Amino acid sequence: QVHLQESGPGLVRPSETLSLSCSVFGDSVSRTGFYWGWTRQTPGQGLEWIGSVDYRGTSSYSPTLKSRVTMSVDTSKNQFFLKLMSVTAADTAVYYCTRDRFVEWVLDSDYWGQGALVTVSS
Amino acid sequence: DIRMTQSPSTLSASVGDRVTITCRASQTISSWLAWYQQKPGKAPKLLIYDASTLESGVPPRFSGSGSGTEFILTIASLQPDDIATYYCQQYNNYRTFGQGTRVEI
Repeated sequence: QVHLQESGPGLVRPSETLSLSCSVFGDSVSRTGFYWGWTRQTPGQGLEWIGSVDYRGTSSYSPTLKSRVTMSVDTSKNQFFLKLMSVTAADTAVYYCTRDRFVEWVLDSDYWGQGALVTVSS
Repeated sequence: DIRMTQSPSTLSASVGDRVTITCRASQTISSWLAWYQQKPGKAPKLLIYDASTLESGVPPRFSGSGSGTEFILTIASLQPDDIATYYCQQYNNYRTFGQGTRVEI
């Protein structure tokens, strides 16, 4: 059974960088045919895809967030990571890590972590 | 951006009812659409992908149809466990979600 678990600070100061990790259990981040992604959820904006990355570091980011986002993978630890720079209160959300199906591009998300609430506040 | 619009926003039905939720895309997305179910405090769960393919383990009372710009999620006989918010998601061009449909009994 595949299981994903987010970890990271629950509070980030405005203008700083939000950093989250996702540990993968029951699967390998090096597996072909899948990307590893991040989606966030806010009460006002609903669900918003942030981006996805594969084990080689090939990534696809939301055009809206692309200028502030970096994603990476550590195959030795079976983890992947999100960095979101220059955060504001609008980045306050529950952040989910996901396993994303991939054919020629990123498709749906078949496994989700439980979610990590990140609040941006001074 | 491809915008996804769901209707209705909230739906009230009785146990055993047939329930349908509509999702419309602002431009054609072929069949590149998924449906998710989210219960309060939980992560979304994949129900259907590629517009009509049932994810493994999902009860057969759930079904999806449509292509192009209009899609439908149907629950053949609503059960108490189906109380949740349902989201559509397109993945034809990047990925965007609908605003959600809350199903109540």
